Amino acid sequence: DAGVIQSPRHEVTEMGQEVTLRCKPISGHNSLFWYRQTMMRGLELLIYFNNNVPIDDSGMPEDRFSAKMPNASFSTLKIQPSEPRDSAVYFCASSRLSSGGPYEQYFGPGTRLTVT
Amino acid sequence: GDSVTQMEGPVTLSEEAFLTINCTYTATGYPSLFWYVQYPGEGLQLLLKATKADDKGSNKGFEATYRKETTSFHLEKGSVQVSDSAVYFCALSDRGTDKLIFGTGTRLQVFP
Repeated sequence: DAGVIQSPRHEVTEMGQEVTLRCKPISGHNSLFWYRQTMMRGLELLIYFNNNVPIDDSGMPEDRFSAKMPNASFSTLKIQPSEPRDSAVYFCASSRLSSGGPYEQYFGPGTRLTVT
Repeated sequence: GDSVTQMEGPVTLSEEAFLTINCTYTATGYPSLFWYVQYPGEGLQLLLKATKADDKGSNKGFEATYRKETTSFHLEKGSVQVSDSAVYFCALSDRGTDKLIFGTGTRLQVFP
């Protein structure tokens, strides 16, 4: 299995520009998570989906952030407009929620976003 | 709400030293417990897990025991290597969900 795939791996953009981060979860997994990691705030859960439906978006910092999961094999996290304080590493993770457990999450390599 | 508390880092050790990274949790139910490791420039990887009281998770020489009476899940390794240098995250998930609650992470630095 290829694991969780994220693109791009690095993104540098100017303040005010739109940024779109992409994620392909592991085939057969039905939950997908977006995290943000910074030195100041550590690892934060932004939003998670189950069966393509957003279940909890309470971690999304503000309306500039939006996430979609149009099908089981693809998700996007969009920031519009971007600001310097959005600079961070963004991780996507997936898991398979079914009867039983525990439900390990498998993380992608991350997208390092720099907003200048 | 549920939470995980880890010891502050960095933890600095010489090669072959004994490692303990403390983790305690607060949960209303009976959570599953995890240790994840993050090597420089990479995403988090599952290191080990335990699903019920007194379970011991182990992998790559690391061990952790689920202690319900002390609500703890401390990570241990008898002899660390330079290659173990990484950030270690303790996490829990409540029964029936796959949402994880992570601790703040503990950086381990091992010197030759």
